[in-house]
Amino acid sequence: QVQLIQSGAEVKKPGASARVSCEASGYTFTAYYMHWMRQAPGQGLEWMGWINPNTGATNFAQKFQGRVTMTTDTSINTSYLELSRLESDDTAVYYCARAIRAAYYFDSWGQGTLVAVSS
Amino acid sequence: EIVLTQSPGTLSLAPGERATLSCRASQSVTSNYLAWYQQKPGQAPRLLIYGASSRVTGIPDRFSGSGSGADFTLTITRLEPEDSAVFYCQQYGTSPGTFGQGTKVEIK
Repeated sequence: QVQLIQSGAEVKKPGASARVSCEASGYTFTAYYMHWMRQAPGQGLEWMGWINPNTGATNFAQKFQGRVTMTTDTSINTSYLELSRLESDDTAVYYCARAIRAAYYFDSWGQGTLVAVSS
Repeated sequence: EIVLTQSPGTLSLAPGERATLSCRASQSVTSNYLAWYQQKPGQAPRLLIYGASSRVTGIPDRFSGSGSGADFTLTITRLEPEDSAVFYCQQYGTSPGTFGQGTKVEIK
């Protein structure tokens, strides 16, 4: 079955960077886009961007441009999200989710990774 | 970007009752590309409905989606205690895809 397994929780200081991984299994990794969303405590879902594991192409939400990097390692079916210059407002649960197209619904999600930013 | 407004914010109903959740878009959703997700506390969202009305395999038929254009509805008939969750709509017809702010369903 399709599984997306994310890395564990992280605590970071303001100004630092955080890197979250998402290991995929149960499907052809390069056939699906990998999207990243986040959810601040008690808040809704916020789309951050996507990466096409087949081509490496990326597309980011405007508010994260210049601060977000998305990469993949197709040899181990893993996607990575890196967010730099962290602020307290970046404290959230970060999710990876797959979609068959760049703009589509998300049929499988990772379990989520808490990134807490605190001095 | 398309803004999705969900209502009501919270719905408190008894087991066996019907829940009607609304999702209204700021403009028409291309090809009715509208999905619904259920999120329980501490869990990732789960896809319920896509294409406005297509139910994902394994989702109980108590869940149904309807609507077109800019107005969409998720209906949950015969509520069960495990249906307590926050429900989000998402449009994916226009990039960037966007989510509504969610409707919380509480079971009395």
